[in-house]
Amino acid sequence: EVQLVESGEGLVQPGSSMKLSCVASGFTFSNYGMNWIRQAPKKGLEWIALIYYDSSSKYYADSVKGRFTISRDNSKNTLYLEMNSLRSEDTAMYYCAKASDLPYWGQGVMVTVSS
Amino acid sequence: DVVMTQTPPSLSVAIGQSVSISCKSSQSLVYSDGKTYLHWLLQSPGRSPKRLIYQVSNLGSGVPDRFSGTGSQKDFTLKISRVEAEDLGVYYCAQTTHFPPTFGSGTKLEIK
Repeated sequence: EVQLVESGEGLVQPGSSMKLSCVASGFTFSNYGMNWIRQAPKKGLEWIALIYYDSSSKYYADSVKGRFTISRDNSKNTLYLEMNSLRSEDTAMYYCAKASDLPYWGQGVMVTVSS
Repeated sequence: DVVMTQTPPSLSVAIGQSVSISCKSSQSLVYSDGKTYLHWLLQSPGRSPKRLIYQVSNLGSGVPDRFSGTGSQKDFTLKISRVEAEDLGVYYCAQTTHFPPTFGSGTKLEIK
């Protein structure tokens, strides 16, 4: 059974940093690209980052480019999202999702940016 | 970015009825490999999204065949036959043909 389990949720002040993790199981993690997708409270879905299976390419939404970094450790079956210079508008539920047809999603972690 | 326009924004249906949700894209979703990367997701209340249909009409694993998807190019439809109580939630269309991936604004399905 495929599982994606995110961790790292919390409340942080504007301008601070935070790192999310997503541990994958049930499939060969190192063979697949992975996404981070977020959902602000009562809003729709927003794709924010993609990393290729071998970390050779990384892509970001304009809304997070230069502030967020996606990475992975295939030896640990883990995907990461490092978030810097956090803003109130980054408050959202963050999901990891397997690329490219989005077949599997994690349960999500809530990130709240507030003073 | 490709804009995905979903209609209607909400639906209220009785158990056993059928419903359709429309999704229109601002560009053709046919990729250079000839495939169309248009997918349908359901977000049940308090849950993460679950993929129902991929590449227009392919049923995801474990998804009941009451769900079906049709369409081509820029115009797509999700049909739910014989709605059941567990079908309530927000339905999203999503495209992964063009970068960046984009989503429709969602259709909220309520049960009468």
